[in-house]
Amino acid sequence: EVQLVETGGGLSQPGGSLRLSCAASGFTFNNYEMNWVRQAPGKGLEWIAFTDTSGRTTFHADSVQGRFTISRDNARNSLYLQMNSLRAEDTAIYYCAKEMWGDDAFDVWGQGTLVTVSS
Amino acid sequence: SHELTQPPSVSVSPGQTASITCSGEILSKKFAYWYQQKSGQAPVLVIFEDSKRPSGIGERFSGSSSGTVATLSISGAQVEDEAVYYCYSAVTSGNHRVFGGGTKLTVL
Repeated sequence: EVQLVETGGGLSQPGGSLRLSCAASGFTFNNYEMNWVRQAPGKGLEWIAFTDTSGRTTFHADSVQGRFTISRDNARNSLYLQMNSLRAEDTAIYYCAKEMWGDDAFDVWGQGTLVTVSS
Repeated sequence: SHELTQPPSVSVSPGQTASITCSGEILSKKFAYWYQQKSGQAPVLVIFEDSKRPSGIGERFSGSSSGTVATLSISGAQVEDEAVYYCYSAVTSGNHRVFGGGTKLTVL
């Protein structure tokens, strides 16, 4: 079964850091581009980061550029999101999402992990 | 910046066809994708590349795109189709990847 499981969410104070992980199983992880998407409480979806299959090419949304970093470890079948300088507006459920091979569609999503930034 | 605009809500009676639009300049050059998100659940891909259905998605779901407007249609809408639907598109050479604001579909 193709599966993505996010961990690492929790409570952080403003200015703090968290590292999210996404464990992939059921598919050849190093063949697929990956993304992080977040959803603030009661709000819509927001794409925030992309990595190619090797991890050498990454893109980040303007809202997190310079504060968040996406990375991957293909040997561990894992995707990461390092989040620094957290702000209250970063409070959201964070989903990792697998791209369909050769396409931009997100065909597999994790269940999400909640990040709360509050003092 | 690239933006995608959706109506906040659409209501239909059971058995009718629901149509949800998504408009944005990016759609004149790039594909539209559609995701269904039911309450408390992760999103699910229902349409990719404007009009293709992933395996496991019923034929009642269809998509089309013309110019700067993409449309998701759900024929014979059922109560189980109630969800928020998001369109998405991307300029993949950079960080221009955007979701629409979402449309809440009510079937009653």
